[in-house]
Amino acid sequence: EVQLLESGGGLVQPGGSLRLSCAASGFTFTTYTMTWVRQAPGKGLEWVSAISGTDTRTYYADSVKGRFTISRDNSMNTVYLQMNSLRVEDTALYYCAKSWSPLHAFDLWGQGTMVTVSS
Amino acid sequence: QSVLTQPPSASGTPGQRVSISCSGSNSNIGINTVNWYQQLPGTAPKLLIYSNNQRPSGVPDRFSGSKSGTSASLAISGLQSEDEADYYCASWDDSLNGRGVFGGGTKLTVL
Repeated sequence: EVQLLESGGGLVQPGGSLRLSCAASGFTFTTYTMTWVRQAPGKGLEWVSAISGTDTRTYYADSVKGRFTISRDNSMNTVYLQMNSLRVEDTALYYCAKSWSPLHAFDLWGQGTMVTVSS
Repeated sequence: QSVLTQPPSASGTPGQRVSISCSGSNSNIGINTVNWYQQLPGTAPKLLIYSNNQRPSGVPDRFSGSKSGTSASLAISGLQSEDEADYYCASWDDSLNGRGVFGGGTKLTVL
């Protein structure tokens, strides 16, 4: 079955760290760009970061640049998002999604993992 | 403040045709394609339209997309109650090092 399964969310204090994982199955993982998109409670979608499948080039939103790091392990069919120096405003449901390239549409989404940053 | 601008809400009665606009700039919609996503309450987003006007397999032809210059539009004809959802446009922005961008979303209500 073609699917994406996120994990690693939870409650963390401001300034803390968390690593999200997204396990892929049912497709040739190395071919695709993987992207993290987040949605704060009651708010819209926000693009966070992407990593291409071929040259593993990375891209970041200004709001997370320097704090978040995206990476992928093609042997494990998994993409990660290391989140450091977390802020209250990072509280959101984090989705991973796949696309042919960073410019292409997200044709598959996971169900999301919730990150809550609070003291 | 989202990079792409959508109206926050839209509405229509069953059977009607509704349209949702998405406005961008020369660094995103002006030079890259537009995609549309539908998000039903409590669920993950789903791809509705890709490459401006293409429908993935399984998406009814009641849904259509178009793009002109730095703007795009999603049209839904023969509106049905199950179309009540949030709709988001998205594109790629070539400014800085490149980034994905979304519209703020439009909540569609079927009256």
